[in-house]
Amino acid sequence: GAVVSQHPSRVICKSGTSVKIECRSLDFQATTMFWYRQFPKKSLMLMATSNEGSKATYEQGVEKDKFLINHASLTLSTLTVTSAHPEDSSFYICSDDRDYGYTFGSGTRLTVV
Amino acid sequence: AQTVTQSQPEMSVQEAETVTLSCTYDTSESDYYLFWYKQPPSRQMILVIRQEAYKQQNATENRFSVNFQKAAKSFSLKISDSQLGDAAMYFCAYCGWGMRFGAGTRLTVKP
Repeated sequence: GAVVSQHPSRVICKSGTSVKIECRSLDFQATTMFWYRQFPKKSLMLMATSNEGSKATYEQGVEKDKFLINHASLTLSTLTVTSAHPEDSSFYICSDDRDYGYTFGSGTRLTVV
Repeated sequence: AQTVTQSQPEMSVQEAETVTLSCTYDTSESDYYLFWYKQPPSRQMILVIRQEAYKQQNATENRFSVNFQKAAKSFSLKISDSQLGDAAMYFCAYCGWGMRFGAGTRLTVKP
């Protein structure tokens, strides 16, 4: 079946440091990938659209300098949370854009202490 | 902007019974896709069923079916013969460009 690999699954970092999350589409060349954020017991909120070879498109209210997205190849998009603070603690999920049946990664639980 | 509304925060069903989860959405577009995703405690998003807006026929996947009312912008999910493994959060999603999710419905299945 379709596979999107997300790494790491869990990460704990100190306040002020940066954390990189990887999203790999293992069986599909994704020109576009999406990043979502999910707070506890809440829904997924689209953060940004990652475009291969060009700049990401951010949703309103999402700080592009805080959440750096790089989509250097058709199979890899990365999200870097810069200068992380406790309020950035959340569950981050990526997806590809295959055939309008998006496949989601398994998510990354980020805890900033 | 597109919005998706799930008005049932929680639902409960007896094993082997049928349950319907509600979803409404708002859009000015004519061509789009609608989805139901299931999120178990593992938090992995699992596609349950999808519906293309241009198709009048309601989508069906085994025990899962939808009632798609385009004019009313309604997209409900019916789960027949409910099983214990169906217990999860269910999210309705609209896809024009990127997914927009409803708030979710937590489904409990009672044995």
